[in-house]
Amino acid sequence: GAVVSQHPSRVICKSGTSVKIECRSLDFQATTMFWYRQFPKQSLMLMATSNEGSKATYEQGVEKDKFLINHASLTLSTLTVTSAHPEDSSFYICSAKTAWVYEQYFGPGTRLTVT
Amino acid sequence: AQTVTQSQPEMSVQEAETVTLSCTYDTSESDYYLFWYKQPPSRQMILVIRQEAYKQQNATENRFSVNFQKAAKSFSLKISDSQLGDAAMYFCAYRSADFGNEKLTFGTGTRLTIIP
Repeated sequence: GAVVSQHPSRVICKSGTSVKIECRSLDFQATTMFWYRQFPKQSLMLMATSNEGSKATYEQGVEKDKFLINHASLTLSTLTVTSAHPEDSSFYICSAKTAWVYEQYFGPGTRLTVT
Repeated sequence: AQTVTQSQPEMSVQEAETVTLSCTYDTSESDYYLFWYKQPPSRQMILVIRQEAYKQQNATENRFSVNFQKAAKSFSLKISDSQLGDAAMYFCAYRSADFGNEKLTFGTGTRLTIIP
């Protein structure tokens, strides 16, 4: 149980275009989802926290107009990188949790390359 | 704000031996959770072990155990009988017990190499 999927696993896009990454909880209701960014050989940095049906809460320094997060259902959250640039190339990881438990379940990540 | 520090960027251990990974944290909270996550080359984050701050007993999970020193704000991970599959990045993480603040704060990680 407690499986989180991400799609796509890898994506290459051209500079200036937008790309959407999906995060799904497959066997539980995710009341809260988190989006992380991980640069090579570095740690996970939280970008934003989203609660189902509410606007996402972004961490300091994260551009909310560039990284659009939608959590419209209890099983799906999406991260859209708008007008992507090469510096947005990174590994994006989502995690999900249900209410009143402490554990987060992580997705397998999405590698974004912007050319 | 909470911070998590892992002072060992890399560690290595002979297969079947024991290794300890260090983690310290800073917080003003009295109730919180601490975690060790493993990230193998696949990049999938895997929970290794967790510790509730209100528990004095150190958590254990098979070959993995922690040494939780609350006063010293230290949370080390001991891996016994190291196996080749233990090779990975290990991240220490902190989470408040406040369900209104559920985000994880990660340390910078320790890369563990297992020597056959």
